[in-house]
Amino acid sequence: TQLLEQSPQFLSIQEGENLTVYCNSSSVFSSLQWYRQEPGEGPVLLVTVVTGGEVKKLKRLTFQFGDARKDSSLHITAAQPGDTGLYLCAGPTEGGTSYGKLTFGQGTILTVHP
Amino acid sequence: GAGVSQTPSNKVTEKGKYVELRCDPISGHTALYWYRQSLGQGPEFLIYFQGTGAADDSGLPNDRFFAVRPEGSVSTLKIQRTERGDSAVYLCASSSQGVKLAGGPNEQFFGPGTRLTVL
Repeated sequence: TQLLEQSPQFLSIQEGENLTVYCNSSSVFSSLQWYRQEPGEGPVLLVTVVTGGEVKKLKRLTFQFGDARKDSSLHITAAQPGDTGLYLCAGPTEGGTSYGKLTFGQGTILTVHP
Repeated sequence: GAGVSQTPSNKVTEKGKYVELRCDPISGHTALYWYRQSLGQGPEFLIYFQGTGAADDSGLPNDRFFAVRPEGSVSTLKIQRTERGDSAVYLCASSSQGVKLAGGPNEQFFGPGTRLTVL
């Protein structure tokens, strides 16, 4: 069974601080995705990383895929209150790489205080 | 354009009752997914449709859960003899196609979910 473990589970910081969220597995994933979910809404895709060692940037967000494709990280620079939400990593479930059946981590709840 | 919609947004029912949850995917999306999200957890896969057929129902927890997509568009998740443990947010997602050769899975667009509470 492929599992994705995220840490920390909760993160409460002040506006302007930097933070990193981690997503780890003992299994190799062909790709990993990061989603952001706000209360009462469904997850929204932020990025997909597909190559070991890949780094992608989305404004103040930097995503990295581990060289062995077993882990990923999300780094936010100068966090803002609008970054508050649940951050989820997800990867194609074994045997499901061709149709997008996803395994999700348990999520990291980020709260950025003004 | 319209995104994925789900109705009802909230459903409160009593233990033992039958419920139906509806999902309207983005027009033209052939792939449709149902997930269940418990409080403080990530979504958990339930079932995947490609067109009208259920291509993978391995995530359905037991035979009280059933889903249909008769015309390849709207889907209904049906839960019989509900139990308190069924309480969760049920999310539906759709994507333009299920099969992709490379570059990771096609983007799944999620609806806002139906919050089911079984008393």
